[in-house]
Amino acid sequence: DAKTTQPPSMDCAEGRAANLPCNHSTISGNEYVYWYRQIHSQGPQYIIHGLKNNETNEMASLIITEDRKSSTLILPHATLRDTAVYYCIVRGISNFGNEKLTFGTGTRLTIIP
Amino acid sequence: AAGVIQSPRHLIKEKRETATLKCYPIPRHDTVYWYQQGPGQDPQFLISFYEKMQSDKGSIPDRFSAQQFSDYHSELNMSSLELGDSALYFCASSLASGVGDTQYFGPGTRLTVL
Repeated sequence: DAKTTQPPSMDCAEGRAANLPCNHSTISGNEYVYWYRQIHSQGPQYIIHGLKNNETNEMASLIITEDRKSSTLILPHATLRDTAVYYCIVRGISNFGNEKLTFGTGTRLTIIP
Repeated sequence: AAGVIQSPRHLIKEKRETATLKCYPIPRHDTVYWYQQGPGQDPQFLISFYEKMQSDKGSIPDRFSAQQFSDYHSELNMSSLELGDSALYFCASSLASGVGDTQYFGPGTRLTVL
């Protein structure tokens, strides 16, 4: 799986949009970009994933550049409960569709009141 | 909605003892993954099962074994425990599909080896 690079930490004011960048310059054509977060020793929580189109769900938006070498996770209105470590994971898909997740070091996002 | 269930949530063992961790996947999910997260570390993949067969293997010590049963629950067996096995152990489940599955994680089991 392709490696990812994320800033180790970021701060964001409560109520503002949090934009978390991720570089994955060696991504292959059949690899997806997944985002998970982990709130203090809880189980990682799925946020969103995409292949090449921008995606949006109730939690966040995912913007993938046209060359797919980087992406940005956007939390539109950050709250204190969004304080967590955010993991950007590039993941290939097997014939069964069930590939492991390879976690990097992630970005520790702190929402400031 | 039903989530992944892990038991026990906390476990304390002595060195050289044996531990068994259990994972009950979300109903209808056919794939189970096990991850280990040491103190201050990121989660690391151990092993996975699809339809009761081992599908992938990571850096799992030979002292560890796992299986998935006919009801799709999974157990991680850990023998000859060492201090370094103290960690959070997460189970995740998914429904495999040809275009990729989404893994949903349980709350984890915190294992402490004394």
